[in-house]
Amino acid sequence: SQKIEQNSEALNIQEGKTATLTCNYTNYSPAYLQWYRQDPGRGPVFLLLIRENEKEKRKERLKVTFDTTLKQSLFHITASQPADSATYLCALGDNRLAFGKGNQVVVIP
Amino acid sequence: EPEVTQTPSHQVTQMGQEVILRCVPISNHLYFYWYRQILGQKVEFLVSFYNNEISEKSEIFDDQFSVERPDGSNFTLKIRSTKLEDSAMYFCASTIQTGGNEKLFFGSGTQLSVL
Repeated sequence: SQKIEQNSEALNIQEGKTATLTCNYTNYSPAYLQWYRQDPGRGPVFLLLIRENEKEKRKERLKVTFDTTLKQSLFHITASQPADSATYLCALGDNRLAFGKGNQVVVIP
Repeated sequence: EPEVTQTPSHQVTQMGQEVILRCVPISNHLYFYWYRQILGQKVEFLVSFYNNEISEKSEIFDDQFSVERPDGSNFTLKIRSTKLEDSAMYFCASTIQTGGNEKLFFGSGTQLSVL
């Protein structure tokens, strides 16, 4: 069956450090992979999209990598700030975008 | 930035009652979606809608569920006879085109509580 797996344990990180999150998938062959941010009680907010022929994508302090051989994407937040505290969701699919369960990040001042 | 609007933000209903959740997608978007998220669980796809018909639905979207675009702006999800397990946050989303290469814009959700 198709799976999108993200670490269920919250990542606690000191302000200013780099947070790295992992998304692994099975039984998908995505042409695109997306990352979203979700705050408690709110809808997901789009952050980045990376294509299968792109190894890396950056947006401000965010960086995403996409390895179709490993079936894995890494999401990095550099120079993390307390405002980055949220749950980050990996998503992929064609017409039906499927989400991982998300990985909570807590940035400690 | 344009927004997807959902009403109500909270809905409490008795088991067996019908509920209608409402959404106003972004005006130039063509593809509309409903997702749900049970507390502590992942965001799950329910249904996608394009050109006034369902384009895809999940196994969750059974005969108790229906969607409609009654006019040019609203997009609704109806649950005909609610069950306790329908309690969840329901998110509406829209996008310009599908295929996985366009971001989804989500509303803030309707928290449905079935008692």
